[in-house]
Amino acid sequence: DAGVIQSPRHEVTEMGQEVTLRCKPISGHNSLFWYRQTMMRGLELLIYFNNNVPIDDSGMPEDRFSAKMPNASFSTLKIQPSEPRDSAVYFCASSSPRSPTRETQYFGPGTRLLVL
Amino acid sequence: QQQVKQSPQSLIVQKGGIPIINCAYENTAFDYFPWYQQFPGKGPALLIAIRPDVSEKKEGRFTISFNKSAKQFSLHIMDSQPGDSATYFCAASKHSGNTPLVFGKGTRLSVIA
Repeated sequence: DAGVIQSPRHEVTEMGQEVTLRCKPISGHNSLFWYRQTMMRGLELLIYFNNNVPIDDSGMPEDRFSAKMPNASFSTLKIQPSEPRDSAVYFCASSSPRSPTRETQYFGPGTRLLVL
Repeated sequence: QQQVKQSPQSLIVQKGGIPIINCAYENTAFDYFPWYQQFPGKGPALLIAIRPDVSEKKEGRFTISFNKSAKQFSLHIMDSQPGDSATYFCAASKHSGNTPLVFGKGTRLSVIA
């Protein structure tokens, strides 16, 4: 099992540019979560999907952020335009209520974003 | 509003010591309480978890103690080792499976030889 795959691992961009983060959940998992980690605010939920459908996006900071899950094996988080305060580590996690460890969320390695 | 409060922010113990990390929650609808371990440059990984129908759970050197009436839970690490040096997060969620985790702010643990 490859685990949750995220790309890119590191992204450095300039303010105003569009940034797209990608996530491939564990095969068979039907829940996908996007979290953001900063020193000040810790780990916060941005949005999550069940069966490819967005359930709660109340954690998305503002309209500059959008997320999609076009199929069960792929999700994107887009920031347009990016701002320096978006600098953080963005994690994707997946889980499967049907598995024996149904509550366990498996995290990817994260994307470290720096907006200059 | 911070739904899960974690303390201390950092902790230094000698090898073999027993670090204790504490968490308190507010939402009585939470029914799943995991602890995650994170090493630098890595994503959080589940360490151990408990549900409110038990007061203690032990897996290897890691023990969760849970006090439902006080809405508190804690992580104990027995015979701590330098390899346990990491950041530990408590979390909570409602219902089983596919609901988000609410995390504490984390505790940076250093175990010195």
